[in-house]
Amino acid sequence: GESVGLHLPTLSVQEGDNSIINCAYSNSASDYFIWYKQESGKGPQFIIDIRSNMDKRQGQRVTVLLNKTVKHLSLQIAATQPGDSAVYFCAESNQAGTALIFGKGTTLSVSS
Amino acid sequence: EPEVTQTPSHQVTQMGQEVILRCVPISNHLYFYWYRQILGQKVEFLVSFYNNEISEKSEIFDDQFSVERPDGSNFTLKIRSTKLEDSAMYFCASSGPGGGADTEAFFGQGTRLTVV
Repeated sequence: GESVGLHLPTLSVQEGDNSIINCAYSNSASDYFIWYKQESGKGPQFIIDIRSNMDKRQGQRVTVLLNKTVKHLSLQIAATQPGDSAVYFCAESNQAGTALIFGKGTTLSVSS
Repeated sequence: EPEVTQTPSHQVTQMGQEVILRCVPISNHLYFYWYRQILGQKVEFLVSFYNNEISEKSEIFDDQFSVERPDGSNFTLKIRSTKLEDSAMYFCASSGPGGGADTEAFFGQGTRLTVV
């Protein structure tokens, strides 16, 4: 079916470590991928996005990698901080203004 | 920084009653969405709205649901005859103005709907 999922429901890291959160998607027609961060009681917050014509995109402390061959998306967070603790969702869509299909989420816990 | 605002933050309603969830999208955005998130689960797409009409809807968005943009600023989700399983966090989102597949969607803080 057409769905987006994450490999691990939880990830625990120490402050200062690098974090890698993974996501597998099944819709090969997807053109656009996004990572969202959701803190408790809040709405999803945009982190970074990537188009299907790219395989890597960097932001501030975050990098998204896209492997279309195996339909895999990952989010790398450098020097993870306690404020990064949240649930992270990947999402996909195939054109502008269409539905975002979200994965199940990975809960990142950062201990100091 | 522009943001999507939703009211109320929490709505409690009795089963069978109608509720209207309200959203003010970012002012120059053209695409509007409703999503819902049942506690502890992933965010699920309900409906998208563009050019004053529904552009896409999911299987969840049945005849019980409707959306409206009554004026130039508000975007509402109406749920008729609420059921216990409608209890969830409802998120409004908007994107635009120019479209394009890399236009990020901005989400509101959500309305927690509790049906009792």
